Amino acid sequence: DAKTTQPNSMESNEEEPVHLPCNHSTISGTDYIHWYRQLPSQGPEYVIHGLTSNVNNRMASLAIAEDRKSSTLILHRATLRDAAVYYCILRAGYSNSGYALNFGKGTSLLVTP
Amino acid sequence: DAGVIQSPRHEVTEMGQEVTLRCKPISGHDYLFWYRQTMMRGLELLIYFNNNVPIDDSGMPEDRFSAKMPNASFSTLKIQPSEPRDSAVYFCASSPPGQGAGNTIYFGEGSWLTVV
Repeated sequence: DAKTTQPNSMESNEEEPVHLPCNHSTISGTDYIHWYRQLPSQGPEYVIHGLTSNVNNRMASLAIAEDRKSSTLILHRATLRDAAVYYCILRAGYSNSGYALNFGKGTSLLVTP
Repeated sequence: DAGVIQSPRHEVTEMGQEVTLRCKPISGHDYLFWYRQTMMRGLELLIYFNNNVPIDDSGMPEDRFSAKMPNASFSTLKIQPSEPRDSAVYFCASSPPGQGAGNTIYFGEGSWLTVV
């Protein structure tokens, strides 16, 4: 599986935008870019995903580089509830693996008031 | 929908005892996943099922672990005998059919297991 590289931790002030980077230089043409987050003492939850184009939903935006070797998760206004570990994961578009998620270490986001 | 339901939420057991973790996936989902999370190893995929059939169990640590899915609405993960190093949070997750790698996977709240 293609791997992703994320910073171990980041810090943001409340109500400011947060840009969480992810490098995936070995991404293949059929890999989807997924972001999940895990709040303390909870299971992971879906945030957003994309293939080639930038994506927006009620939680966040996903900006994908033109060469797809990197992407950025954007939280437009961080709240204290956004403090979590954010995982950037590639999922193979064609696979016999059932499209299971392979989690790395993720980025631990600290949001301060 | 109630989401993925796991039980028990917390369990403390003695080494050597059998532990059974249970999972009810979201209705209509045809993929079911079992993950384990520890501080040292992070989130690891143990096994997953498609239409109640185990597809990949390469993540199951050893023969002490077994998982079953007798029907579309129930799965179990059993550890026998349990050891202290099995202490972890075990997550069950499910995913709907269609859309392949674009699908969302929904996780339960986890079963927190402590083996003393």
